[in-house]
Amino acid sequence: AQSVTQLGSHVSVSEGALVLLRCNYSSSVPPYLFWYVQYPNQGLQLLLKYTTGATLVKGINGFEAEFKKSETSFHLTKPSAHMSDAAEYFCAVTPSGGYNKLIFGAGTRLAVHP
Amino acid sequence: DGGITQSPKYLFRKEGQNVTLSCEQNLNHDAMYWYRQDPGQGLRLIYYSQIVNDFQKGDIAEGYSVSREKKESFPLTVTSAQKNPTAFYLCASSGGSPYNEQFFGPGTRLTVL
Repeated sequence: AQSVTQLGSHVSVSEGALVLLRCNYSSSVPPYLFWYVQYPNQGLQLLLKYTTGATLVKGINGFEAEFKKSETSFHLTKPSAHMSDAAEYFCAVTPSGGYNKLIFGAGTRLAVHP
Repeated sequence: DGGITQSPKYLFRKEGQNVTLSCEQNLNHDAMYWYRQDPGQGLRLIYYSQIVNDFQKGDIAEGYSVSREKKESFPLTVTSAQKNPTAFYLCASSGGSPYNEQFFGPGTRLTVL
Protein backbone atom coordinates (compact mmCIF):
# COMPACT_ATOMS: atom_id res chain seq x y z
CA ALA A 1 0.00 0.00 0.00
CA GLN A 2 1.10 3.51 -0.68
CA SER A 3 1.33 6.22 1.96
CA VAL A 4 2.65 9.75 2.32
CA THR A 5 4.07 11.45 5.40
CA GLN A 6 4.59 15.18 5.54
CA LEU A 7 6.84 16.15 8.43
CA GLY A 8 5.61 19.28 10.15
CA SER A 9 2.01 20.37 9.92
CA HIS A 10 3.12 24.01 10.25
CA VAL A 11 6.28 25.65 8.97
CA SER A 12 7.15 29.31 9.49
CA VAL A 13 9.88 31.19 7.61
CA SER A 14 10.98 34.77 7.15
CA GLU A 15 10.51 36.49 3.83
CA GLY A 16 13.61 35.79 1.72
CA ALA A 17 14.55 32.64 3.64
CA LEU A 18 14.80 29.13 2.27
CA VAL A 19 11.59 27.12 2.19
CA LEU A 20 11.88 23.38 2.85
CA LEU A 21 8.78 21.22 3.11
CA ARG A 22 9.38 17.54 3.75
CA CYS A 23 7.62 14.59 2.17
CA ASN A 24 8.37 10.90 2.56
CA TYR A 25 6.44 8.18 0.80
CA SER A 26 6.10 4.44 0.72
CA SER A 27 5.33 2.59 -2.46
CA SER A 28 5.87 -0.99 -3.57
CA VAL A 29 6.36 0.06 -7.19
CA PRO A 30 8.02 3.09 -8.80
CA PRO A 31 5.85 6.05 -7.88
CA TYR A 32 4.64 9.18 -9.50
CA LEU A 33 4.93 12.06 -7.03
CA PHE A 34 3.18 15.42 -6.87
CA TRP A 35 3.14 18.64 -4.90
CA TYR A 36 -0.03 20.70 -4.78
CA VAL A 37 -0.63 24.15 -3.25
CA GLN A 38 -3.89 25.38 -1.75
CA TYR A 39 -4.63 29.02 -0.97
CA PRO A 40 -7.36 29.77 1.57
CA ASN A 41 -10.83 28.73 0.48
CA GLN A 42 -9.62 27.58 -2.92
CA GLY A 43 -9.01 24.30 -4.70
CA LEU A 44 -5.63 22.63 -5.11
CA GLN A 45 -3.22 23.70 -7.84
CA LEU A 46 -0.48 21.44 -9.17
CA LEU A 47 2.97 22.85 -8.37
CA LEU A 48 5.11 20.12 -9.90
CA LYS A 49 5.31 16.40 -10.53
CA TYR A 50 7.89 13.66 -10.83
CA THR A 51 7.16 10.84 -13.24
CA THR A 52 10.39 9.47 -14.72
CA GLY A 53 13.78 10.78 -15.78
CA ALA A 54 15.48 13.72 -14.11
CA THR A 55 15.11 13.55 -10.35
CA LEU A 56 15.21 17.32 -9.82
CA VAL A 57 11.89 18.72 -10.91
CA LYS A 58 11.12 22.40 -11.35
CA GLY A 59 7.64 23.75 -10.90
CA ILE A 60 5.74 26.98 -10.88
CA ASN A 61 6.43 29.99 -8.65
CA GLY A 62 10.13 29.10 -8.23
CA PHE A 63 9.55 25.81 -6.41
CA GLU A 64 11.46 22.64 -7.07
CA ALA A 65 11.61 19.14 -5.61
CA GLU A 66 14.09 16.30 -5.73
CA PHE A 67 13.13 12.64 -5.93
CA LYS A 68 15.50 10.56 -3.80
CA LYS A 69 14.70 6.90 -4.19
CA SER A 70 17.17 5.74 -1.55
CA GLU A 71 15.55 8.02 1.03
CA THR A 72 11.99 7.61 -0.31
CA SER A 73 11.70 11.37 -0.17
CA PHE A 74 10.36 14.15 -2.36
CA HIS A 75 11.06 17.36 -0.44
CA LEU A 76 9.87 20.70 -1.79
CA THR A 77 12.18 23.72 -1.74
CA LYS A 78 12.28 27.35 -2.76
CA PRO A 79 15.45 29.43 -2.31
CA SER A 80 13.72 32.63 -1.21
CA ALA A 81 10.27 32.80 0.35
CA HIS A 82 7.78 35.44 -0.67
CA MET A 83 4.75 36.57 1.29
CA SER A 84 2.55 35.19 -1.47
CA ASP A 85 3.88 31.67 -0.79
CA ALA A 86 1.83 31.46 2.40
CA ALA A 87 -0.53 28.56 1.76
CA GLU A 88 -1.05 24.88 2.49
CA TYR A 89 1.04 22.38 0.57
CA PHE A 90 0.15 18.76 -0.11
CA CYS A 91 2.41 15.96 -1.25
CA ALA A 92 0.76 13.07 -3.13
CA VAL A 93 1.82 9.70 -4.56
CA THR A 94 0.38 7.21 -6.99
CA PRO A 95 1.92 3.97 -8.24
CA SER A 96 3.11 4.12 -11.83
CA GLY A 97 1.29 2.05 -14.41
CA GLY A 98 -2.44 1.80 -14.97
CA TYR A 99 -5.17 3.66 -13.17
CA ASN A 100 -4.61 4.40 -9.51
CA LYS A 101 -5.89 6.85 -6.96
CA LEU A 102 -3.73 9.62 -5.59
CA ILE A 103 -2.75 9.25 -1.94
CA PHE A 104 -2.34 12.62 -0.22
CA GLY A 105 -0.30 13.61 2.78
CA ALA A 106 -1.93 15.54 5.62
CA GLY A 107 -0.56 18.84 4.38
CA THR A 108 1.89 21.47 5.64
CA ARG A 109 0.77 25.02 6.29
CA LEU A 110 3.48 27.50 5.36
CA ALA A 111 3.53 30.89 7.06
CA VAL A 112 5.82 33.65 5.77
CA HIS A 113 6.52 36.59 8.04
CA PRO A 114 8.23 39.89 7.22
CA ASP B 1 -11.29 27.97 -20.80
CA GLY B 2 -11.09 24.33 -19.73
CA GLY B 3 -11.59 23.55 -16.09
CA ILE B 4 -13.76 22.32 -13.27
CA THR B 5 -16.63 24.29 -11.79
CA GLN B 6 -18.29 23.70 -8.47
CA SER B 7 -21.39 25.43 -7.32
CA PRO B 8 -22.31 27.04 -5.11
CA LYS B 9 -19.18 28.36 -3.38
CA TYR B 10 -20.97 28.52 -0.01
CA LEU B 11 -23.97 26.43 1.00
CA PHE B 12 -26.03 26.48 4.15
CA ARG B 13 -28.53 23.80 5.12
CA LYS B 14 -30.55 22.83 8.11
CA GLU B 15 -29.72 19.62 9.92
CA GLY B 16 -31.63 16.65 8.50
CA GLN B 17 -31.87 17.99 4.95
CA ASN B 18 -30.22 16.35 1.97
CA VAL B 19 -28.12 18.65 -0.19
CA THR B 20 -26.53 18.16 -3.61
CA LEU B 21 -23.20 19.70 -4.60
CA SER B 22 -22.54 20.28 -8.26
CA CYS B 23 -19.32 19.44 -10.13
CA GLU B 24 -18.87 19.96 -13.86
CA GLN B 25 -15.75 19.58 -16.00
CA ASN B 26 -15.02 20.39 -19.63
CA LEU B 27 -11.58 18.79 -19.73
CA ASN B 28 -12.89 15.61 -21.37
CA HIS B 29 -11.51 13.61 -18.43
CA ASP B 30 -12.79 10.11 -17.79
CA ALA B 31 -12.20 10.03 -14.02
CA MET B 32 -13.77 12.27 -11.40
CA TYR B 33 -13.42 12.41 -7.62
CA TRP B 34 -14.97 13.92 -4.52
CA TYR B 35 -12.91 14.79 -1.45
CA ARG B 36 -13.80 16.12 1.93
CA GLN B 37 -11.38 18.48 3.68
CA ASP B 38 -11.44 19.22 7.41
CA PRO B 39 -8.88 21.38 9.23
CA GLY B 40 -5.70 19.44 9.95
CA GLN B 41 -6.91 16.26 8.23
CA GLY B 42 -5.85 16.77 4.65
CA LEU B 43 -8.03 15.35 1.89
CA ARG B 44 -10.20 12.28 2.34
CA LEU B 45 -11.68 10.50 -0.66
CA ILE B 46 -15.47 10.13 -0.61
CA TYR B 47 -16.29 8.63 -4.03
CA TYR B 48 -14.65 8.32 -7.39
CA SER B 49 -15.73 7.40 -10.89
CA GLN B 50 -13.50 6.11 -13.65
CA ILE B 51 -16.17 6.05 -16.33
CA VAL B 52 -19.75 7.08 -16.98
CA ASN B 53 -22.37 5.04 -15.11
CA ASP B 54 -19.78 3.55 -12.76
CA PHE B 55 -18.43 4.75 -9.42
CA GLN B 56 -16.68 3.34 -6.34
CA LYS B 57 -16.68 4.19 -2.67
CA GLY B 58 -13.67 5.93 -1.26
CA ASP B 59 -12.50 5.98 2.33
CA ILE B 60 -15.44 7.86 3.87
CA ALA B 61 -18.49 7.12 1.68
CA GLU B 62 -21.02 6.64 4.49
CA GLY B 63 -23.73 9.29 4.38
CA TYR B 64 -22.93 10.35 0.80
CA SER B 65 -24.21 9.32 -2.63
CA VAL B 66 -23.15 10.15 -6.20
CA SER B 67 -24.22 9.62 -9.78
CA ARG B 68 -22.33 9.72 -13.07
CA GLU B 69 -24.84 9.92 -15.87
CA LYS B 70 -22.70 12.19 -18.04
CA LYS B 71 -18.97 12.37 -18.54
CA GLU B 72 -18.93 16.04 -17.62
CA SER B 73 -20.91 15.85 -14.40
CA PHE B 74 -20.42 14.13 -11.03
CA PRO B 75 -22.85 15.51 -8.42
CA LEU B 76 -22.47 14.62 -4.74
CA THR B 77 -25.44 14.33 -2.39
CA VAL B 78 -24.82 14.78 1.30
CA THR B 79 -27.62 12.90 3.00
CA SER B 80 -29.11 13.31 6.43
CA ALA B 81 -27.27 10.13 7.42
CA GLN B 82 -23.94 11.97 7.33
CA LYS B 83 -23.32 12.72 11.00
CA ASN B 84 -20.99 15.68 10.61
CA PRO B 85 -21.46 17.19 7.15
CA THR B 86 -20.01 20.65 7.75
CA ALA B 87 -16.78 20.71 5.72
CA PHE B 88 -15.06 21.94 2.57
CA TYR B 89 -15.80 19.69 -0.42
CA LEU B 90 -13.46 19.43 -3.39
CA CYS B 91 -14.15 17.88 -6.77
CA ALA B 92 -11.33 16.76 -9.08
CA SER B 93 -10.85 15.06 -12.41
CA SER B 94 -8.08 13.22 -14.21
CA GLY B 95 -7.54 11.48 -17.52
CA GLY B 96 -5.63 13.72 -19.84
CA SER B 97 -2.30 12.35 -18.65
CA PRO B 98 -0.90 8.87 -17.98
CA TYR B 99 0.40 10.06 -14.62
CA ASN B 100 -2.98 10.30 -12.86
CA GLU B 101 -2.49 13.94 -11.93
CA GLN B 102 -5.73 15.43 -10.76
CA PHE B 103 -7.16 18.87 -11.46
CA PHE B 104 -9.31 20.46 -8.80
CA GLY B 105 -12.33 22.69 -8.72
CA PRO B 106 -12.58 25.72 -6.40
CA GLY B 107 -14.52 23.84 -3.73
CA THR B 108 -17.85 24.21 -1.93
CA ARG B 109 -18.00 25.07 1.75
CA LEU B 110 -21.03 23.39 3.29
CA THR B 111 -22.31 24.53 6.66
CA VAL B 112 -25.09 22.62 8.34
CA LEU B 113 -26.93 24.64 10.96
